[in-house]
Amino acid sequence: GAGVSQSPSNKVTEKGKDVELRCDPISGHTALYWYRQSLGQGLEFLIYFQGNSAPDKSGLPSDRFSAERTGGSVSTLTIQRTQQEDSAVYLCASSLGRATPNYGYTFGSGTRLTVV
Amino acid sequence: SQKIEQNSEALNIQEGKTATLTCNYTNYSPAYLQWYRQDPGRGPVFLLLIRENEKEKRKERLKVTFDTTLKQSLFHITASQPADSATYLCAGSGGATNKLIFGTGTLLAVQP
Repeated sequence: GAGVSQSPSNKVTEKGKDVELRCDPISGHTALYWYRQSLGQGLEFLIYFQGNSAPDKSGLPSDRFSAERTGGSVSTLTIQRTQQEDSAVYLCASSLGRATPNYGYTFGSGTRLTVV
Repeated sequence: SQKIEQNSEALNIQEGKTATLTCNYTNYSPAYLQWYRQDPGRGPVFLLLIRENEKEKRKERLKVTFDTTLKQSLFHITASQPADSATYLCAGSGGATNKLIFGTGTLLAVQP
């Protein structure tokens, strides 16, 4: 597609439920990143994919968080047994794989997750 | 830990003036820095990248500098316009995985 697509755009869930967030990156972008942004906070790195493998999962805050990527394309971030502190905007970005002089990451508009 | 710091206070300037935003990094040496613009409810949009061996990079009304001695990058918008009002994020490369480490951003408000 023309941009990075994330769905849903908004998600309200009850504490303790599982949620799945989807990211559809730009076609041909081998690198995919998940970040989360809490109110007034910077972007917090969660996980990096190169193709279907995840060489850097260091940002996942707990074992309730997991992510996968299939076919080198769509990625799903799953949060199990959601807690109120999981409320944030979850942003996905894709890139060609290495920083080049003219390109950075392309971000989606994010999924706003609210845990009540 | 590796850290990118930006002035959390909002920057208010008059239309037509030059806006200057500051980004400092600590506890590492990023190979490059990137600047992004973020509008409310939207994801960040890439603006400029500058490598550690480059002193300055320009793009239209934007200019970025990279001072490895001061561990600092400055981001300038010349002839600022109300449409430039947004949050500007600085990000540094984080090593082999190419992940970016982001600052918290600086809100710029350009008054007409």
